[in-house]
Amino acid sequence: QVQLQESGPGLVKPSETLSLTCGVSGYSISSGYYWGWIRQPPGKGLEWIGSMFHSGSNYYNPSLKSRVTISVDTSNNQFSLRLTSVTAADTAVYYCARRRGNYFFDYWGQGTLVTVSS
Amino acid sequence: QSALTQPPSASGSPGQSVTISCTGTSSDVGGYNYVSWYQQHPGKAPKLMIYEVSKRPSGVPDRFSGSKSGNTASLTVSGLQAEDEADYYCSSYAGSINSVFGTGTKVTVL
Repeated sequence: QVQLQESGPGLVKPSETLSLTCGVSGYSISSGYYWGWIRQPPGKGLEWIGSMFHSGSNYYNPSLKSRVTISVDTSNNQFSLRLTSVTAADTAVYYCARRRGNYFFDYWGQGTLVTVSS
Repeated sequence: QSALTQPPSASGSPGQSVTISCTGTSSDVGGYNYVSWYQQHPGKAPKLMIYEVSKRPSGVPDRFSGSKSGNTASLTVSGLQAEDEADYYCSSYAGSINSVFGTGTKVTVL
């Protein structure tokens, strides 16, 4: 059974960088598929942040592209999200997920709340 | 890229059917058969219910079905049960944008 688990700080100061890691078990990232991040501000809908193929091709939401980096660490079977220059608008539950070739997310992490506040 | 448009709410009595719409454009929903639907209970991660417009993952009851006409996709839940009460989100491939989600619909079982 494929399982994903997000980890990282729950509180980030404005203007700083948000960094999260998603550990994957039950499947080797290097075997294929895309790996992505989705966020959900409190009480609001889902927003796709970006996806990355295991070999390195990246696709980012244009509204976040200038601030986002997704990277893969196949040796530790995990992938990461970096979001720079955060503001209160970046406060959200952040989910990591596995994306299949035909653009659907079949396995999700439980989500982690990141609050941007001084 | 704007979010796909869904009605904020939908409801039905147990045993009835409810249909949720998801309206996009020819650049996303209308242009590709890559629409998926997710169910989200409060405080939980989304769960894949439908992919590629009408396909059900293993373990999803056949009470859930999907379809598409033009720029609008639909999710129908037949034989509503109490556990179907949740938020539902559609998603579509959107070309260079890659993925876009809908605004979400809260389904209430009366």
